Parts: sequence; C-alpha cells; structure tokens
Amino acid sequence: DAKTTQPTSMDCAEGRAANLPCNHSTISGNEYVYWYRQIHSQGPQYIIHGLKNNETNEMASLIITEDRKSSTLILPHATLRDTAVYYCIAHSGNTPLVFGKGTRLSVIA
Amino acid sequence: GAVVSQHPSWVICKSGTSVKIECRSLDFQATTMFWYRQFPKQSLMLMATSNEGSKATYEQGVEKDKFLINHASLTLSTLTVTSAHPEDSSFYICSAKGQGNEKLFFGSGTQLSVL
Repeated sequence: DAKTTQPTSMDCAEGRAANLPCNHSTISGNEYVYWYRQIHSQGPQYIIHGLKNNETNEMASLIITEDRKSSTLILPHATLRDTAVYYCIAHSGNTPLVFGKGTRLSVIA
Repeated sequence: GAVVSQHPSWVICKSGTSVKIECRSLDFQATTMFWYRQFPKQSLMLMATSNEGSKATYEQGVEKDKFLINHASLTLSTLTVTSAHPEDSSFYICSAKGQGNEKLFFGSGTQLSVL
C-alpha cells in the first residue's frame, strides 16, 4: 500500500463541516483511497472509499484530486459523536489494510 | 452493511492461562480474516492473515505458537492467546473480507487484560 500522510489532530465546531486532508502522492493506479474511523475502544468503522471519482454516501463525501495524489474526507455537519481517529489508507487487492497514525478529530460543542 | 461479530468484548485472566477470542461474519462468507492488535495510543498493528481451510500467515515478530489462529469455516475465525502474560494485554481486533468485496469489515474488538 502507498504511504499516506495525515495531520495528527484537528478540531471542528459542532454543526460545521469537518474537512480531513490526506496526502498519498505515491498511490498506484489500482489503489483505492479508503477512509475508516475508530471511536475510542471500538473496532474501525468503514466510512467511504473511491478510486478517482468523488464519492458521497450517508456518512461523508470523498473528494479525490485529479492527479490522485491527495484527497479530502468531508463530514458535512459534524456532531460530537464524530469525535474519533480517522484513517486514510491507499489499498488494493486482498491484502490487509495497513493503518498509519490517522487524524484525531475533536468535535467541540 | 456487513456485520462482523467479535466475542468477548473484554476479558481479564490470570498470567499463564489461555484466552480464546471468536470472530464471526454474520451475513457473508469471509474467505479471509485478519487479526490486529492495538496498544494504548497506538495504531492497529497486523498480527496475522487467515484464509479458510489453511494455515495462518503471521507477521514478523508475532509468535505463531503463542497466538493460535483457526479459520475452520467461512464464517468463523478464532485467536487463542496461549499462556498469556501481562505484556499480552492489548486490544485485539478481527476483520473480515468476503470474496469479491472491496471493503474490509471490523469486529468491535476484545480488550484483554492479563493480571
């Protein structure tokens, strides 16, 4: 899997959009960008993934740059329950996901 | 979405005893399951990969005789921590992937505390 780089931590006001950046400049053509989050003392939760087109689901939107070297996860209206560590992973195939340190998002009331 | 059930959620045991953790895929057949370990304030670290009906593949530094993995069916994998010691205290998480599925789903984790 290509290496990804994320900020260590971010704060976001409740009700505002949370934009979490991820750099994956060495991503290969067949690698998807996956986002997972981990709330304290729980297993990681799948959020969204994409290859090159922007994606949206009920949880979030994923914006991938045209050169695929970076992406942004957007939580449109952050709530206190979105406080978690967010992991951006570039991955393909049946190999296991390799987790970096992620971004610790704190949603503040 | 797909559900992966992990049991128990937490366990406390005495040093020297063995502990078994179960991981089940509830609504899909998991041809491959992965076991991770997470120490406080650290990220998930892959321990081993198990494919149904074959021996598990362990990551470097993970003792296969200490962490026994069995994946006897397409819906169940177990991790047994044998002769547990305090340094084995950790959060253990399983994950599963169905054939042809791009997503990996995770169990809720097991907090193991060895006294």
